[in-house]
Amino acid sequence: EIVLTQSPATLSVSPGERATLSCRASQSVSSNLAWYQQRPGQAPRLLIYGAYIRATGIPARFSGSGSGTEFTLTISSLQSEDFAVYYCQQYNNWPPYTFGQGTKLEI
Amino acid sequence: EVQLVESGGDLVEPGGSLRLSCAASGFNFNNYNMNWVRQAPGKGLEWIAYISFNSAMIYYADSVKGRFTISRDNAKNSVYLQMNSLRAEDTAVYYCARNTTLVRGVSDYWGQGTLVTVSS
Repeated sequence: EIVLTQSPATLSVSPGERATLSCRASQSVSSNLAWYQQRPGQAPRLLIYGAYIRATGIPARFSGSGSGTEFTLTISSLQSEDFAVYYCQQYNNWPPYTFGQGTKLEI
Repeated sequence: EVQLVESGGDLVEPGGSLRLSCAASGFNFNNYNMNWVRQAPGKGLEWIAYISFNSAMIYYADSVKGRFTISRDNAKNSVYLQMNSLRAEDTAVYYCARNTTLVRGVSDYWGQGTLVTVSS
C-alpha cells in the first residue's frame, strides 16, 4: 500500500498570501495524484488530477506540480473561501486508493 | 446537474448491520465507476470500496473486506453498501463518489454523506 504523507499538518497564512502544501509518496505514483479540498461540513471537492491538471471550474490560483514521489499544491493568492483542509490521493497503485492525512489551511 | 444523495445512516449497535444507498442523477449512471469513501469524526478520508460500471470489478479496503458488500442497480441509478458485523471504528460519515471517465481513480463528484454511528 502506498502511504502519502502531507506537510505541514496545519498551515497558517493570511488572505492574499501564497500557500504551498506538500505531499510525499512512499513510492513512485508517476503523475497519478489528485488534490481535494474539504471545507467544514462539506464533501470533498476535486481540485487537481494528473498532478497538475485543474478540474472543471477550479480557479487558476490553484496549481499542482511534481511527479514520482514529491508533489506540491500551490494557492497563489488566498481567498477567504480557500481556508479548508486539503487532501492528496494517489491512484497509481490500487486497490487501495490512498489519501494523505490532510493539511489544514487556517488564517 | 450531477447529484449523489446518500441515505441509510443511523445509530447501530456493535455487531449490527446497516445498508447505505446512494441515488445518482444528472448523468448516465451506467457509464461510471463508483466508490464509497468514509471519514471518521475529525479524521481524514479513507477509501473503502469500488464497483465498476457493470459490476464486473469490485474491490475493498482490507479494513472492511469480508464485512461490507458494495453493489449497484443501474436500472435504479443507485449504488449500495451493505455493512455487517459493524464495529465502533466503523463510525464515520460515508460518502459515495463518482469516478471520472477521463482518469481512472479520480472522483469528480461526491455526495454530502450519511453518518453511521456504531455504539451501544
